[in-house]
Amino acid sequence: AQTVTQSQPEMSVQEAETVTLSCTYDTSENNYYLFWYKQPPSRQMILVIRQEAYKQQNATENRFSVNFQKAAKSFSLKISDSQLGDTAMYFCAFMKNPSGTYKYIFGTGTRLKVLA
Amino acid sequence: DTGVSQNPRHKITKRGQNVTFRCDPISEHNRLYWYRQTLGQGPEFLTYFQNEAQLEKSRLLSDRFSAERPKGSFSTLEIQRTEQGDSAMYLCASSADGNLEAFFGQGTRLTVV
Repeated sequence: AQTVTQSQPEMSVQEAETVTLSCTYDTSENNYYLFWYKQPPSRQMILVIRQEAYKQQNATENRFSVNFQKAAKSFSLKISDSQLGDTAMYFCAFMKNPSGTYKYIFGTGTRLKVLA
Repeated sequence: DTGVSQNPRHKITKRGQNVTFRCDPISEHNRLYWYRQTLGQGPEFLTYFQNEAQLEKSRLLSDRFSAERPKGSFSTLEIQRTEQGDSAMYLCASSADGNLEAFFGQGTRLTVV
């Protein structure tokens, strides 16, 4: 069975600074996908970034980038130039190579607070 | 399209009562998911529909839980004889066939007293 671990329950960062959220996972699969979802207070979860395990190049989306280390089973999220709107719960998620369900396995989340 | 819609947003019920939640997915999304999120935990998969067919159910979904998606459009999740342990946020998500990204609703927060 796959598991996703986020070891930082809470983090804070000053506005305009950079912060890195950690995620590790356990799987025996070789092909899979990894995601970071953001859940702002009282709002729905939205996709921040995704990474295909077969791609060596780390994914980047504007101020968000990942450090994907397949051998170490690590998938961290770096937020550059943090903004107040980045305050949210961040969930790391795993998906097996899709064959049917396309369901996510989520970690327990990291609550990020961006300070003015 | 306004995204995935869930109703009600909040529900308080007495232990032993039945409750039903509704999810309206993004139109033309044929995949629909229910997840449960308890305090301090990430969302946990409950069940999955492709069109009107319920193709997978988690072991978390006890026989007090039933989900339907008639005509492959909206979905309902019913919990019978609610227990305090059922208190959680129930999230619905939908996705288009072949698309890895699921779009989530704001959830229904259930409190069983």
